Amino acid sequence: NAGVTQTPKFRVLKTGQSMTLLCAQDMNHEYMYWYRQDPGMGLRLIHYSVGEGTTAKGEVPDGYNVSRLKKQNFLLGLESAAPSQTSVYFCASSYLLGYNEQFFGPGTRLTVL
Amino acid sequence: DQQVKQNSPSLSVQEGRISILNCDYTNSMFDYFLWYKKYPAEGPTFLISISSIKDKNEDGRFTVFLNKSAKHLSLHIVPSQPGDSAVYFCAASDDGGSQGNLIFGKGTKLSVKP
Repeated sequence: NAGVTQTPKFRVLKTGQSMTLLCAQDMNHEYMYWYRQDPGMGLRLIHYSVGEGTTAKGEVPDGYNVSRLKKQNFLLGLESAAPSQTSVYFCASSYLLGYNEQFFGPGTRLTVL
Repeated sequence: DQQVKQNSPSLSVQEGRISILNCDYTNSMFDYFLWYKKYPAEGPTFLISISSIKDKNEDGRFTVFLNKSAKHLSLHIVPSQPGDSAVYFCAASDDGGSQGNLIFGKGTKLSVKP
């Protein structure tokens, strides 16, 4: 039981390049989330999904797109990376929406030059 | 405008003593609170939670206290151990988190010295 996994672990991009971060969970959770964490800051929600085929915007969605084609996977895309998107990205999943814990992946450290 | 505030960026405690981490919130609609622990280069891991219908929840060495009138919660770790050294995040949600949003504080870095 791997829990929540994220690929890649590290990535360096040039401004304007695109990439996709992959999150996978094997707990059969309906709900999945993408957060970013910047130095000295708490985690901020980018997008989330309440089930296969659904997505919704979080607190800081600009510059990102997401897709949930399969229940176990949640993809975060950067179409044209900017230095302001340098951050650590965490994926999470949960059994319920609210009133329960979210399980987090190990994170992806992204640097945009 | 920060809705969840952890005003102490760091805390240093001697092994065996009590660690008290504090968290304040401004949104009176928050009704569920969680504490997460994070080691470097790892994702946050859930520690303990409390619903607004309670004022205390205990799990082993960890106890969370909630004071709704003061909009304040605290995490007590007794006794503290060196392995507890990590960053602790307080998080809150409202209305059952119907929008899926946990609001996180900025974290407090706890150092437990042997």
